[in-house]
Amino acid sequence: DGGITQSPKYLFRKEGQNVTLSCEQNLNHDAMYWYRQDPGQGLRLIYYSQIVNDFQKGDIAEGYSVSREKKESFPLTVTSAQKNPTAFYLCASSDSLVEKLFFGSGTQLSVL
Amino acid sequence: EDQVTQSPEALRLQEGESSSLNCSYTVSGLRGLFWYRQDPGKGPEFLFTLYSAGEEKEKERLKATLTKKESFLHITAPKPEDSATYLCAVQVPQGGSEKLVFGKGTKLTVNP
Repeated sequence: DGGITQSPKYLFRKEGQNVTLSCEQNLNHDAMYWYRQDPGQGLRLIYYSQIVNDFQKGDIAEGYSVSREKKESFPLTVTSAQKNPTAFYLCASSDSLVEKLFFGSGTQLSVL
Repeated sequence: EDQVTQSPEALRLQEGESSSLNCSYTVSGLRGLFWYRQDPGKGPEFLFTLYSAGEEKEKERLKATLTKKESFLHITAPKPEDSATYLCAVQVPQGGSEKLVFGKGTKLTVNP
């Protein structure tokens, strides 16, 4: 079945630690995205990529980094510079930029 | 600033009690409006895209409509399985590209 796989489902970060969230898609989509969802707020864009080896900052990129070495993969690293990382992180993909998005099942990140 | 406002924040219905959810927007140039359904702890699932005022789309008990300032998601004779958070997003130009601006969602509960 085609889709987007995010892992892990739950992740805990210690003070000063970097953590990486995985996102893999087998939909053959060019564009991939990372969103952050906080309770009572709309989804906010962290980073997006339209093509391999290229990505752009979204509205809240500070404290995060990404890579796009393969079309299928778009991992997100939450660095120690992100002081409020607790949130639900969603990866998405689309055929082209801002067509309908296909979302993964999300990763809940919490701070220990 | 582009804004998307969804109302109400939460809605409780009895099974079979029809109602509507609202998504109003103030944006610089609407390219498209998207509706998604999100179940707790999962990623959003695409429902509809609307592009121009007067357009309507239907899927089972759901019908989405669009005017120049807002969109409605009408739910006819809802069932408990329609309980979810419904998200609205508008596609707007940004620089030489485009982006999605999400509303905060309406949490719908349908009681049997």
